[in-house]
Amino acid sequence: EAGVTQFPSHSVIEKGQTVTLRCDPISGHDNLYWYRRVMGKEIKFLLHFVKESKQDESGMPNNRFLAERTGGTYSTLKVQPAELEDSGVYFCASSIRGGANEKLFFGSGTQLSVL
Amino acid sequence: GENVEQHPSTLSVQEGDSAVIKCTYSDSASNYFPWYKQELGKRPQLIIDIRSNVGEKKDQRIAVTLNKTAKHFSLHITETQPEDSAVYFCAASKRVKAAGNKLTFGGGTRVLVKP
Repeated sequence: EAGVTQFPSHSVIEKGQTVTLRCDPISGHDNLYWYRRVMGKEIKFLLHFVKESKQDESGMPNNRFLAERTGGTYSTLKVQPAELEDSGVYFCASSIRGGANEKLFFGSGTQLSVL
Repeated sequence: GENVEQHPSTLSVQEGDSAVIKCTYSDSASNYFPWYKQELGKRPQLIIDIRSNVGEKKDQRIAVTLNKTAKHFSLHITETQPEDSAVYFCAASKRVKAAGNKLTFGGGTRVLVKP
């Protein structure tokens, strides 16, 4: 079974530029989550999709971040314009049913560096 | 909201010794406590989890204990091996209707097992 895949694995951009991260969840997983780890701190929740619908976006830091999941398959997370404090590792995770206490499968993350 | 504290931030042990990582949580409604292991450059992987109706769970060399009254849980690794070297994250979540499994993570513990 293929795992959660994320592209790119690394991205280096300048402040003010735009970056789009992509996540392909495990096939059949309706639930998709975005998390990020900034400056070696804790991994923080950003948002949760159920199929194509945003179930919870309470962790999105500001309106420079836009997440989409058209068609309920892969998801993109766009940062526009990027700021220095956006640097970190962005993780995607997926699960089958989205129930509480359900195992989340994580991708390897995208290391974003904003210079 | 939930807050999870994790200690220590780094842990160095001699091969064969035991390692213990401790986490505390703030929300008494939390009822699911997974532990993730992230090896360098790889994805976080679930290694063990515990639910609030259980006080202890073991899986070979790893075990997790939960004290609901004190709101803390711990990961125990016995007979450590070099391949146990990684960053370990504790997390907590609670059952909220239609909210999926939104995890709150601790800050992570970098474990180094010296041969």
